[in-house]
Amino acid sequence: ETGVTQSPTHLIKTRGQQVTLRCSSQSGHNTVSWYQQALGQGPQFIFQYYREEENGRGNFPPRFSGLQFPNYSSELNVNALELDDSALYLCASSLLAGANVLTFGAGSRLTVL
Amino acid sequence: AQKVTQAQTEISVVEKEDVTLDCVYETRDTTYYLFWYKQPPSGELVFLIRRNSFDEQNEISGRYSWNFQKSTSSFNFTITASQVVDSAVYFCALSEAPNAGNMLTFGGGTRLMVKP
Repeated sequence: ETGVTQSPTHLIKTRGQQVTLRCSSQSGHNTVSWYQQALGQGPQFIFQYYREEENGRGNFPPRFSGLQFPNYSSELNVNALELDDSALYLCASSLLAGANVLTFGAGSRLTVL
Repeated sequence: AQKVTQAQTEISVVEKEDVTLDCVYETRDTTYYLFWYKQPPSGELVFLIRRNSFDEQNEISGRYSWNFQKSTSSFNFTITASQVVDSAVYFCALSEAPNAGNMLTFGGGTRLMVKP
């Protein structure tokens, strides 16, 4: 059973640029959610996707967007990067119905200069 | 709105000591789930336990135990006979409804350092 994999592991961007982060869900999981973890803080919920539709969103602006593909993999896109977007971005997969236990990837660390 | 508070930002113990990590939560829902996750230096969050609001029974799993008290809105985590491998950041989290299970509200985390 493969876990959740994320790419890239590290990347550096400059303010105003756009970034795409990718995530492959654990086999059999149909739901993916994304979290932002600033240094020294707990993760904050960005949004989740179920059956390729956004199914819940946290307090993040529209420049944070996502996609879920038929194979349940996912992308997180962030436009017009700001310095405060520097963080570890965690992807997690689960079964929407019932289990509620998230399997997390190791994250993509984004630095915005 | 829901909130999770982990007042201890950092704890340092010597190996074999017992240590308790505190978690206090706020929610208006009567149905909710509480979680503990471990985050080692590699970054991924590792699931430790889930408890629903109707089950106040304490749980023990090896050296780990959890004490859930609705009366004080607390869900504390104790590691008995700590080991160096327990060094990590530990997060308590809350989910307010079954279908919101992926929408976790996390506390700020407690960094545990176990010294040999």
